Amino acid sequence: RKEVEQDPGPFNVPEGATVAFNCTYSNSASQSFFWYRQDCRKEPKLLMSVYSSGNEDGRFTAQLNRASQYISLLIRDSKLSDSATYLCVVNMDSSYKLIFGSGTRLLVRP
Amino acid sequence: ETGVTQTPRHLVMGMTNKKSLKCEQHLGHNAMYWYKQSAKKPLELMFVYNFKEQTENNSVPSRFSPECPNSSHLFLHLHTLQPEDSALYLCASSQDRGSGTDTQYFGPGTRLTVL
Repeated sequence: RKEVEQDPGPFNVPEGATVAFNCTYSNSASQSFFWYRQDCRKEPKLLMSVYSSGNEDGRFTAQLNRASQYISLLIRDSKLSDSATYLCVVNMDSSYKLIFGSGTRLLVRP
Repeated sequence: ETGVTQTPRHLVMGMTNKKSLKCEQHLGHNAMYWYKQSAKKPLELMFVYNFKEQTENNSVPSRFSPECPNSSHLFLHLHTLQPEDSALYLCASSQDRGSGTDTQYFGPGTRLTVL
């Protein structure tokens, strides 16, 4: 089983739609969780950290379910500029080592 | 833009060549990282340096040789590479490698093609 698993997509949605991605992780001792965004042929950039209580940043909501070992990202009112690959990232032991998922590709169409 | 720069942005080399990738961070961070991103694969951590000391070598073949002369600069020396080493090589930095909550900031990457 992969350490961090994501549906590769692509998710093809119209502008204004709500879309959600899930990501599962294998190590129940994982400490920190993040969503990064990577545009085509660009570097990954931190989108948001994921906290146990869930957190929201504008149109983006991230949630953590420790019991089922998954995190989610919800995007409301999708914009064309949201088209990118979304990387689920897990930190296993509060050290520097981040484990990246392969990413979920989102395409927002006009 | 992110405070982490990488050169060159693109590199094509033969299997017998020797080349070096350079990374520089302007963020005052103490930790620097090399990652490899192959097509349709997740980012793989290669090396970690903290305060110029190598703290992780993630079973990387010896044809990849890192160098960290100071906290702001990181090099990846390449020699006798294989075609399967073709990938995007990303450098990142963070404040300190000890905290799992430290954000890692990535450079734009060097797209390497080995012929």
